[in-house]
Amino acid sequence: DQQVKQNSPSLSVQEGRISILNCDYTNSMFDYFLWYKKYPAEGPTFLISISSIKDKNEDGRFTVFLNKSAKHLSLHIVPSQPGDSAVYFCAASTTSGTYKYIFGTGTRLKVLA
Amino acid sequence: DAMVIQNPRYQVTQFGKPVTLSCSQTLNHNVMYWYQQKSSQAPKLLFHYYDKDFNNEADTPDNFQSRRPNTSFCFLDIRSPGLGDAAMYLCATSRGGTGMNEKLFFGSGTQLSVL
Repeated sequence: DQQVKQNSPSLSVQEGRISILNCDYTNSMFDYFLWYKKYPAEGPTFLISISSIKDKNEDGRFTVFLNKSAKHLSLHIVPSQPGDSAVYFCAASTTSGTYKYIFGTGTRLKVLA
Repeated sequence: DAMVIQNPRYQVTQFGKPVTLSCSQTLNHNVMYWYQQKSSQAPKLLFHYYDKDFNNEADTPDNFQSRRPNTSFCFLDIRSPGLGDAAMYLCATSRGGTGMNEKLFFGSGTQLSVL
C-alpha cells in the first residue's frame, strides 16, 4: 500500500521555465511533508518542507504548495536550472511522535539547457 | 562538517553469506534509520532507533537485523542475503523532535550486490 505517490516518473523542462513536481498521499494522519533531491551516487538532501497548518512555503526558487482536502502537494522550481536535474522525492510524516518518514517513488527532473 | 557516513559505498556479497553495513553520525541525533531503495522504487523504511529503542517495520523480513551500540553508530546485518536484497541501503538520522522543523539527514548510501 503506497501511502505517498509520485505518479510522474520523469519530467523534462527547458532552462528558465517552471518545473512542477507532484505528490499525492493517502494517509490523513500525515501533517508534515518534505521534498528531497538526490543526485546519482549521493544520498538524498533536504530541500524544503511544509506543515499542514500552511498551504505554501517558499525558499528562494523553490515553493511547495499543499492542498489538504485533495491530499496533494507540489514543488515548484522557478526558474529551473540545469543543476536542478536530479531525482526529487516527496516524503510525509506525522508530528505525533512516530519519527517515521514515508517516501514516494521519486520524479526524475531533467532541465534542458 | 557534521555528517552521516556510510561504509562501504559498494559491497559485494555472495548469496547466503552474512553481510554488515555500517553507519556513523557526528550530528549527535537521537534517531537513526535504515532505508532500502531498489531501482525506481521509493526508499522503504526497514527500522529505526530512537536512542536505544528499536522500532521494526511490520514488513521488514527477519533476515534483516540492526544494532546500535552507541549514539554514533548503527549497523545493518543481513543474515542470509538473497538476490532480492540487492539494493541501495540508506542510513539517515534525525534529532527526534516533533516540531515542524524536523528532517532527515542521509548518508551517501551503500550499494549492495548479491552474487
